[in-house]
Amino acid sequence: DTAVSQTPKYLVTQMGNDKSIKCEQNLGHDTMYWYKQDSKKFLKIMFSYNNKELIINETVPNRFSPKSPDKAHLNLHINSLELGDSAVYFCASSQGLRNSPLHFGNGTRLTVT
Amino acid sequence: DAKTTQPTSMDCAEGRAANLPCNHSTISGNEYVYWYRQIHSQGPQYIIHGLKNNETNEMASLIITEDRKSSTLILPHATLRDTAVYYCIVRALTGGGNKLTFGTGTQLKVEL
Repeated sequence: DTAVSQTPKYLVTQMGNDKSIKCEQNLGHDTMYWYKQDSKKFLKIMFSYNNKELIINETVPNRFSPKSPDKAHLNLHINSLELGDSAVYFCASSQGLRNSPLHFGNGTRLTVT
Repeated sequence: DAKTTQPTSMDCAEGRAANLPCNHSTISGNEYVYWYRQIHSQGPQYIIHGLKNNETNEMASLIITEDRKSSTLILPHATLRDTAVYYCIVRALTGGGNKLTFGTGTQLKVEL
């Protein structure tokens, strides 16, 4: 079984549309994250939730809204998509807030045309 | 969190040890050294982490110098499947959540 799974794997959409990416982890972790990897391969954290509570919110446009219905799920909704949103989005999870390793999903490649 | 410096790329022959260096000269006493890798088209994968003692697990060994200003990740018998970008990350275990800051990493290419 995949530990951290994201759907869809690929997402192609037009500017101005609204889309969602789903993430689920079956590791029993209490903390989940969204990272963005741009075309230059830089990985940057966007959000982190611990026990469904938002604890990290980097400087991300408010068109991006994470939602955590329970500890095993963290979804990312994006409104009014722009060309610059094209990237690979990774979900991750860990246990606790300290030094436990992060487990990443295999990413969702978002292409905005 | 302290900044890290890694070579852009390295090559290694299959079956040989791959030694990946990382400089973190501004590391402070409460900061750990983490290593992750990212194989093409996959998510980053945790490898190992340490504070000041050398660490070993089933994937790799981590050697941290006595002054903690640099470290080396060792893959003892590199295989083609170890070809990936390797990230050295330094972070403190303080509040603010588990926020890993990835740099540009080292592209390791393992060849026959």
